Amino acid sequence: GAVVSQHPSRVICKSGTSVKIECRSLDFQATTMFWYRQFPKQSLMLMATSNEGSKATYEQGVEKDKFLINHASLTLSTLTVTSAHPEDSSFYICSAPRDPSRDEQYFGPGTRLTVT
Amino acid sequence: GENVEQHPSTLSVQEGDSAVIKCTYSDSASNYFPWYKQELGKRPQLIIDIRSNVGEKKDQRIAVTLNKTAKHFSLHITETQPEDSAVYFCAASLSGGSYIPTFGRGTSLIVHP
Repeated sequence: GAVVSQHPSRVICKSGTSVKIECRSLDFQATTMFWYRQFPKQSLMLMATSNEGSKATYEQGVEKDKFLINHASLTLSTLTVTSAHPEDSSFYICSAPRDPSRDEQYFGPGTRLTVT
Repeated sequence: GENVEQHPSTLSVQEGDSAVIKCTYSDSASNYFPWYKQELGKRPQLIIDIRSNVGEKKDQRIAVTLNKTAKHFSLHITETQPEDSAVYFCAASLSGGSYIPTFGRGTSLIVHP
């Protein structure tokens, strides 16, 4: 099946700093990628839709200036958490459809962010 | 927008028993219903999906049923094994990868040996 990777898998940063998370589609091109946040024992909450070559679409309540998304190529989308705070600590997962005309989403392995 | 309700939140069964997880959705336009299994700290993995033109689909010990009229769909796992222990999420969306799935809150399935 299609492979989506994320880097890093775990990151610890200090409050006030920024951290970048990468999401890559390894064997297919993704014009659209989705970024989710998952708190412990909770569901996947969509944060934003990353669109190659254009601005990301953010869900209501998600601060676009805090969660910067860049989809500069057909295989890479990045999520930068700026001025991180402890409440931003979460599991961040990206996903992408291998084929926009098909249904299945392929998820990355996730990034565990801890802000101290 | 779409709203997906999932029950139960926790399900504990003995090895060999069957497990059933139920979901309801609100948007009658939704026509694609995947189920994901997520082990602790890992990515969600698609285990089975169903489209609205089908009422039931089976893959070995896993089956999914869909009732479009009632807008609910269910996951059935037979002969459960300890390795089935995980969190299971249902989702609903329009067909086509550009459409965003709405996820249920998840069911933590615990299979006791």
